[in-house]
Amino acid sequence: EDKVVQSPLSLVVHEGDTVTLNCSYEVTNFRSLLWYKQEKKAPTFLFMLTSSGIEKKSGRLSSILDKKELFSILNITATQTGDSAIYLCAVWVRSQGNLIFGKGTKLSVKP
Amino acid sequence: DVKVTQSSRYLVKRTGEKVFLECVQDMDHENMFWYRQDPGLGLRLIYFSYDVKMKEKGDIPEGYSVSREKKERFSLILESASTNQTSMYLCASSPPGLVSEAFFGQGTRLTVV
Repeated sequence: EDKVVQSPLSLVVHEGDTVTLNCSYEVTNFRSLLWYKQEKKAPTFLFMLTSSGIEKKSGRLSSILDKKELFSILNITATQTGDSAIYLCAVWVRSQGNLIFGKGTKLSVKP
Repeated sequence: DVKVTQSSRYLVKRTGEKVFLECVQDMDHENMFWYRQDPGLGLRLIYFSYDVKMKEKGDIPEGYSVSREKKERFSLILESASTNQTSMYLCASSPPGLVSEAFFGQGTRLTVV
């Protein structure tokens, strides 16, 4: 059975801290891995990763994929209260296109 | 600007009613998806469709059906709504191939009383 596991499920930090969110997967026919941020509405896209070892970066956020060990991490440096959200990891599997999600990590950044 | 539109933001329905949730995308995407999102359970796939009139069951299809008569529209149907179907429902679409992002609608919060 395909599965995506995120850890931790929730995290509370203070502004300025650096956080690392984890996503591991066991799927058939892995194609790519996606990260999303969800506040009180629709998930918004952050990164797509297809190749091992290549870091994607956007401002204070970065992410990397390890296809040998089957995991990805999302790093957020110098966190701000606006980073408070649920961060979702998703993996494309199978030839017909099935996008499966982990349960998400709820990040709370305190001032 | 890409857009996925769900017909309602909030819905309240009675147990036993037939419920239609509509989703329209304007990006000519082949793939469309319906998820439900519940606290502690994340996004769970109900159904997806990779072409007009084609559909595939996701992880939790029981109690739901779908319809895709036109490329831009994907409907989720609750044949007889039950209280355990109270949830946030999210529609998404994506182009073909498995190396692109999926675009989400704003979600429909359905309450069944």
